Amino acid sequence: NAGVTQTPKFQVLKTGQSMTLQCAQDMNHEYMSWYRQDPGMGLRLIHYSVGAGITDQGEVPNGYNVSRSTTEDFPLRLLSAAPSQTSVYFCASSRSGDDYEQYFGPGTRLTVT
Amino acid sequence: SQQGEEDPQALSIQEGENATMNCSYKTSINNLQWYRQNSGRGLVHLILIRSNEREKHSGRLRVTLDTSKKSSSLLITASRAADTASYFCATDAETSGSRLTFGEGTQLTVNP
Repeated sequence: NAGVTQTPKFQVLKTGQSMTLQCAQDMNHEYMSWYRQDPGMGLRLIHYSVGAGITDQGEVPNGYNVSRSTTEDFPLRLLSAAPSQTSVYFCASSRSGDDYEQYFGPGTRLTVT
Repeated sequence: SQQGEEDPQALSIQEGENATMNCSYKTSINNLQWYRQNSGRGLVHLILIRSNEREKHSGRLRVTLDTSKKSSSLLITASRAADTASYFCATDAETSGSRLTFGEGTQLTVNP
């Protein structure tokens, strides 16, 4: 199993550009989520999904869109990049319900200039 | 808002010593989890303790949970240089489904 994969590993955008961060998992997990991590801070939840076709907002959703057309994939779209979105983005997946650990991808380091 | 707050923010010890990190949280939880993050990498799950458990062990890790004080501690015994990393607690609140809320982490440095 590859686990949770994320592409790209690094990305530089100019203000106003849009892009999609890709996330895929091969563990048949129902739950998937996107976090951002800023320097010296913990992870903050952007969006999450409890299954294909179902998404919801987390703590910091503004400026980001998600969709979940398949169990495996959960892309994160930046609509119009801003310098405040410079961060490291992590995707995670787990089984749904109580008491399951989350599996994290390696992260995408995004810089917006 | 961050559910968990961790203490200390940074900890530096010598190899062989024990390291203790603390986490406090605000709401009722289903479980509390600890994760490790090596520099520039994704998070790796270490241990999960359920709300009805008070202590759990896994290898050199010992986690305690006090729901009356809304706090947890992670003890790493006989630390090694390879334990150098950031450690995060994460809470699964009773009303959150599978969502986790992370603390800001403790940066542990183990000196050889």
